[in-house]
Amino acid sequence: QQQVKQSPQSLIVQKGGISIINCAYENTAFDYFPWYQQFPGKGPALLIAIRPDVSEKKEGRFTISFNKSAKQFSLHIMDSQPGDSATYFCAASTAGSARQLTFGSGTQLTVLP
Amino acid sequence: DAGITQSPRYKITETGRQVTLMCHQTWSHSYMFWYRQDLGHGLRLIYYSAAADITDKGEVPDGYVVSRSKTENFPLTLESATRSQTSVYFCASSAMTGSYNEQFFGPGTRLTVL
Repeated sequence: QQQVKQSPQSLIVQKGGISIINCAYENTAFDYFPWYQQFPGKGPALLIAIRPDVSEKKEGRFTISFNKSAKQFSLHIMDSQPGDSATYFCAASTAGSARQLTFGSGTQLTVLP
Repeated sequence: DAGITQSPRYKITETGRQVTLMCHQTWSHSYMFWYRQDLGHGLRLIYYSAAADITDKGEVPDGYVVSRSKTENFPLTLESATRSQTSVYFCASSAMTGSYNEQFFGPGTRLTVL
């Protein structure tokens, strides 16, 4: 049972464009929603995270939009750059032991120069 | 070097063999995790540990064994490897303090079971 559904599976964007990746969750107990970025041959690294008490969080060119009623959240990458080409994973966790992360299936982003 | 390391980085083994993947972190983080990464599935939690000698199952624990005798080490053992365990394995760690702790991932071990 996939508790966090991520789309699209792959995304191609021109340099300077906006990249949008969407995630939907089922478990209403989730209260922490991070996004991880992974480059080829590397482990994932935290990019940005949000808690459901806010509807948006922005860090530089990266923004998370959160819709609690729809149980959806999305990552927007403004002015996408070739260096942003990577795989992006949304995730969610609940309060409790270890704050286990449930990951989405990933989106492979390619930004064309 | 500070951080989280995994060894080996690549491993090829045969069905039925036992193989151990090593994970070492230098931050003295309380929590450690093992994930497997497969296309279409993202990362799935195999086992995690809240402290030395405390381990618990994740989403996909069958066929795996873990131990944690020291805070800094968290080895993952496949007791009798199967082809379905061909995957990329990531170890991660996080600090205990605070409620929303970032997980720091190692570079991964690519395991192929023939």
